[in-house]
Amino acid sequence: KQEVTQIPAALSVPEGENLVLNCSFTDSAIYNLQWFRQDPGKGLTSLLLIQSSQREQTSGRLNASLDKSSGRSTLYIAASQPGDSATYLCAPSYSSASKIIFGSGTRLSIRP
Amino acid sequence: DAGVIQSPRHEVTEMGQEVTLRCKPISGHDYLFWYRQTMMRGLELLIYFNNNVPIDDSGMPEDRFSAKMPNASFSTLKIQPSEPRDSAVYFCASSRDRRPSNTEAFFGQGTRLTVV
Repeated sequence: KQEVTQIPAALSVPEGENLVLNCSFTDSAIYNLQWFRQDPGKGLTSLLLIQSSQREQTSGRLNASLDKSSGRSTLYIAASQPGDSATYLCAPSYSSASKIIFGSGTRLSIRP
Repeated sequence: DAGVIQSPRHEVTEMGQEVTLRCKPISGHDYLFWYRQTMMRGLELLIYFNNNVPIDDSGMPEDRFSAKMPNASFSTLKIQPSEPRDSAVYFCASSRDRRPSNTEAFFGQGTRLTVV
């Protein structure tokens, strides 16, 4: 069964800190992996997409890495801001037919 | 493009009634996904389509749930009859097929369903 685990489930840090969110997946036969952000009561916003052939992808203060062989991905957020407070979801897409599976998310709170 | 459009945004219905959720994917996208999100179970994939054809409906919880995609620009998720435990936020998403690596998926704003 394809499962995605995100650690920690919740994280609260003061503004300005650099932080790392972790994601692990049981089936390494992925096509790509996306990181999403979800604000309370809202839809999902795609942050970064890493293809299976890539090792990392950067967008502004965000950097996502992918180690397909070990089934792990990390999302690094530099110089965190209160506006980064949201739930972050890891979602690998599987080669069997583009099936996207979600982790349970990390609820991030940045304290001013 | 306006993105993935879902309607209605909110739906409150009585137990036993039929509920139909609607989705318009991004033009040109080949894949369409229906997800359900609850506090207890997170985001669950219910069904997805490729070029209007259902590929995997193993996530559909019961026969009360059905989904159709009559054309490339419209899909429906129907629950008949609805039950209180169906209360959740239902998301539709779409993506473009560019094998061997697919492009990112874009999500609609969701439909919050409450069955009383």
